[in-house]
This record gives sequence, structure tokens and C-alpha cells, in this order.
Amino acid sequence: EIVMTQSPATLSVSPGEGATLSCRASQSISSNLAWYQQKPGQAPRLLIHGASARAADIPARFSGSGSGTEFTLTISSLQSEDFAVYFCQQYTSWSTFGQGTKLEIK
Amino acid sequence: EVQLVQSGAEVKKPGESLKISCKGSGYKFTNYWIAWVRQTPGKGLEWMGIIYPGDSDTRYSPSFQGQVTISADKSVSTAYLQWNSLRASDTAMYYCARQASATTSSSYWGQGSLVTVSS
Repeated sequence: EIVMTQSPATLSVSPGEGATLSCRASQSISSNLAWYQQKPGQAPRLLIHGASARAADIPARFSGSGSGTEFTLTISSLQSEDFAVYFCQQYTSWSTFGQGTKLEIK
Repeated sequence: EVQLVQSGAEVKKPGESLKISCKGSGYKFTNYWIAWVRQTPGKGLEWMGIIYPGDSDTRYSPSFQGQVTISADKSVSTAYLQWNSLRASDTAMYYCARQASATTSSSYWGQGSLVTVSS
């Protein structure tokens, strides 16, 4: 099983600042990586697929990068609605998720 | 508008059976895969398996093979997740999600079905 490790577990950032979230795969997954946002009481929402392609209706302040085993989700100029938990997912071999990064207001 | 609407919360006893549902609308149900994902506070999100309603091609994550059954009825555009004998460890939120292929991301998600197993 491919293990996905996200860091940090919690990130405290002030509104208007940027945030960088990391995701590492235990083996190469090419660009078969997605990022999701989840708010309390809601289902996950797809943000990024193919490591860097934004999903439909996702604001341009969300961007993804990386390939192989190292991936990054960058959120520029955080808005109040961006504070949530973020998960990465690989879909090279079956599918596995990272444990999540909680983005909280500083 | 694409929608996946799941059945409601369930409270069951260990050993009981259960079948939860996920009804798709706003798209051709037989042209997309439906995955099931479990979420718990302890283990986070876990991909359980997937079905292609067009031909019922079904694939299970090794961790869930033999533990659950995934099925679909294309006549009512509904996918199902079934247990024959529930355990306390099955207590979780379960999501269905639509995928364009068996190995890709999930672009649309159901609202979730909370299953609680307790004696």
C-alpha cells in the first residue's frame, strides 16, 4: 500500500497570508495526486487533480505542484472560507489518502 | 446538476446487516464509476472500493475485500454498500463519490451516511 504523509498536521496562518501544505508518497505516484478540502459536517471537495490541475470552479489562489513523491498545495492570500482540513490522495495503486492538514486561523 | 444523494443515518447492533445507498442524478449513471470512502477520526479517509454501474465491474481495496459488498442497480441509478454482519469498528461516516475512471480523483461526493454500530 502506498502511504501518504502530510505535513504539518496543523498550520496556523493569518487571513491574507499564504499557506504551503506538503504531501509525500512512500513511492513514486507520477502525477496521480489530488487535493481535497473538507469543512466540518461536509463531504470532501476536490480542489486539484493530476497534481496541478484545478478542478472546476476552484479559485486561482489554489495551486498544486510536484510529481513523483513530493507534492505541494499552495494557497495564496487566504480567505476566511479557506480555513478547513486538506487531504491529499494518490490514485496510482488503488487509492490512499493522507491524514490531513488542518489550516486554522492564527 | 450532478448530485449524489445518500441514505440517512443508521444505528445498528453488532452482527446485524445493513445496506446503504447512493442515488445519482443529473448525469448518465452508467457512464461513471461510484467509489465508497470511509471516514473515521482515528484512520481518516479510506478508499473502500468502486463499481462501474454500466457493467457492474467491481473492485475492492485489499483492506475491505470480503468485509463489504458493493453493488449497483442502474434501473434506479443507485449504488449500494452492504454489510452482512456489522462490527463496532464499522462505525464511521461513509461517502460515495463519482469518478470518471477507476483510478482517478473523485469530482462529486454524496453528503455522507453515518453508521453507528453499538450494543
